[in-house]
Amino acid sequence: QVQLVDSGGDLVRPGGSLRLSCAASGFIFRDYYMSWIRQAPGRGLEWIAYISDRGTVTYYADSVRGRFTISRDNANNSLYLQLKSLGDEDTAVYYCARFGPTVTYFDSWGQGTLVTVSS
Amino acid sequence: DIQMTQSPSSLSASVGDRVSITCRAGQNIKTYLSWYQQIPGKAPRLLIYASSTLQGGVPSRFSGSGSGTDFTLTISSLQPEDFATYYCQQSLSTPTFGGGTKVEI
Repeated sequence: QVQLVDSGGDLVRPGGSLRLSCAASGFIFRDYYMSWIRQAPGRGLEWIAYISDRGTVTYYADSVRGRFTISRDNANNSLYLQLKSLGDEDTAVYYCARFGPTVTYFDSWGQGTLVTVSS
Repeated sequence: DIQMTQSPSSLSASVGDRVSITCRAGQNIKTYLSWYQQIPGKAPRLLIYASSTLQGGVPSRFSGSGSGTDFTLTISSLQPEDFATYYCQQSLSTPTFGGGTKVEI
């Protein structure tokens, strides 16, 4: 079955960097658009980035554009999110999610990985 | 960005109740609307997409309706496992989520 496993979350100081990973299995990874979505403690869901199936198209929310970079390795069925210039507002659980076939909804989610930005 | 507004933000209900949650879009999004359920400490789960299409494996007591700017998620008979937070999400443009509706006992 479809499985997405998020990893890489950690405690990081303001201004620091981190790379998150998402290992995919159970489906043909290279055929799907993928996204990262985050959730600050006690808050709602915020979409932050997506990448096309071949990795040629990326798009970001205004809140992270220029600081975060989404990428993928289709040979190794992996999705990544590089986070830089982190601030308190970036503290959240980060989920990778698979877009459904019509690229309009998220039909599978990772379990999430917690990023805490604090001095 | 298209703003999504859910109401109510929380509600109390009992097992067996019929529950409806409303989502309003800031502009016409046709039927590009999905609903998710999130149990505390877990990842969200897709319930409904394209406003009214039930995702595979989701119980038939869940249903969705609406088009344009006004949408509704209905649970016909609330079960113990349905106490959770529900989110709507639009996809006419870059995805945005509603603020969530917490369904409590």
